[in-house]
Amino acid sequence: GENVEQHPSTLSVQEGDSAVIKCTYSDSASNYFPWYKQELGKRPQLIIDIRSNVGEKKDQRIAVTLNKTAKHFSLHITETQPEDSAVYFCAASRSNFGNEKLTFGTGTRLTIIP
Amino acid sequence: DTGVSQDPRHKITKRGQNVTFRCDPISEHNRLYWYRQTLGQGPEFLTYFQNEAQLEKSRLLSDRFSAERPKGSFSTLEIQRTEQGDSAMYLCASPAGAFGTEAFFGQGTRLTVV
Repeated sequence: GENVEQHPSTLSVQEGDSAVIKCTYSDSASNYFPWYKQELGKRPQLIIDIRSNVGEKKDQRIAVTLNKTAKHFSLHITETQPEDSAVYFCAASRSNFGNEKLTFGTGTRLTIIP
Repeated sequence: DTGVSQDPRHKITKRGQNVTFRCDPISEHNRLYWYRQTLGQGPEFLTYFQNEAQLEKSRLLSDRFSAERPKGSFSTLEIQRTEQGDSAMYLCASPAGAFGTEAFFGQGTRLTVV
């Protein structure tokens, strides 16, 4: 089955700096890679996703890159703000439509230092 | 209703008791997923339904666990003879978004087995 590894497990950055979280996956058939943000006691919420037919996607301060050859994808947050503090999870699935089961990474606790 | 509703939000039970959780998914989508999230970990896939049919079950779903989705609407997840290791957040998810490309999670049911 799919295995997703995520690094680092914790990350602290100064407000205004950039944060990068990296994930690797094992199943070469995976083709959909979402990122979720989870605040304490709340549900995971999708913040951005990427499909295997593109290498990069950007939405305001958030961007995701995908390297299918290396089976590696990353989340980039620029100009970090205190409200970015949360746990971030990467995930992978075999579906192009995100409605197949997701395999999640173990999460990164991001702390933005004011 | 534009969200996924789960009930109860919290459940404390004694070891050995049975518990049942309910999920009301986004109504226009025929798929429904159950995940389990333990403290400090990412969600782990348990099972999913397409309409009333349970199409896949994870090996995490021991014979003490059973899930149903009568009439393809709401779903229930029952755990019999609960153990302390069952303590976790149980999350339900529906496909969402314009093309069902997003896995939209409910707020979850937090189970504590004492």
